[in-house]
Amino acid sequence: AQTVTQSQPEMSVQEAETVTLSCTYDTSESDYYLFWYKQPPSRQMILVIRQEAYKQQNATENRFSVNFQKAAKSFSLKISDSQLGDAAMYFCALCSGGGADGLTFGKGTHLIIQP
Amino acid sequence: DADVTQTPRNRITKTGKRIMLECSQTKGHDRMYWYRQDPGLGLRLIYYSFDVKDINKGEISDGYSVSRQAQAKFSLSLESAIPNQTALYFCATSERDRGLTDTQYFGPGTRLTVL
Repeated sequence: AQTVTQSQPEMSVQEAETVTLSCTYDTSESDYYLFWYKQPPSRQMILVIRQEAYKQQNATENRFSVNFQKAAKSFSLKISDSQLGDAAMYFCALCSGGGADGLTFGKGTHLIIQP
Repeated sequence: DADVTQTPRNRITKTGKRIMLECSQTKGHDRMYWYRQDPGLGLRLIYYSFDVKDINKGEISDGYSVSRQAQAKFSLSLESAIPNQTALYFCATSERDRGLTDTQYFGPGTRLTVL
């Protein structure tokens, strides 16, 4: 069985500052993908960024980047220049085994942006 | 128009009633999924389908059934709804990458309340 753990139920950051959300995972598979999804109050699940486990280079999407530490099974999300629109629940998710078990999600981190 | 649509968006029903939640997609993806989200938890997989003739149980399939009517349509049924099935339900779709796993795109969700 695979697991995803997000140890920060809630984080707060000042607008324009940088924040890092933590995620650790466990899987017995050697090939897998990791994702961060954002869920704003509208409840829509929005893909933020994805990382292929076989790639050493950390993924980046505009202000969003990850720190993927494969040996430590750690996958943190860094949000630079935080904006009010970044306020949301953020979920870390793992997909392995060719997607046969769907996505395994963490419990989420509620990100608050202080103006 | 949205690529993945769910109907209804909100539903209130009574214990023992049969309920069907519908999902349609215009992304042309072959894989479709149903997830459930409870407060304080991430999403959990109920059922998934890799093509029209392929249906698989997920982590929490008890009390649910599905039907893949076409490549673009995947319905979730609660044969006899009970209050602990009150939750937010998401449909997702994906297409297998050239790599080993895929990226899932979510519908807007259906909020179901069972009284």
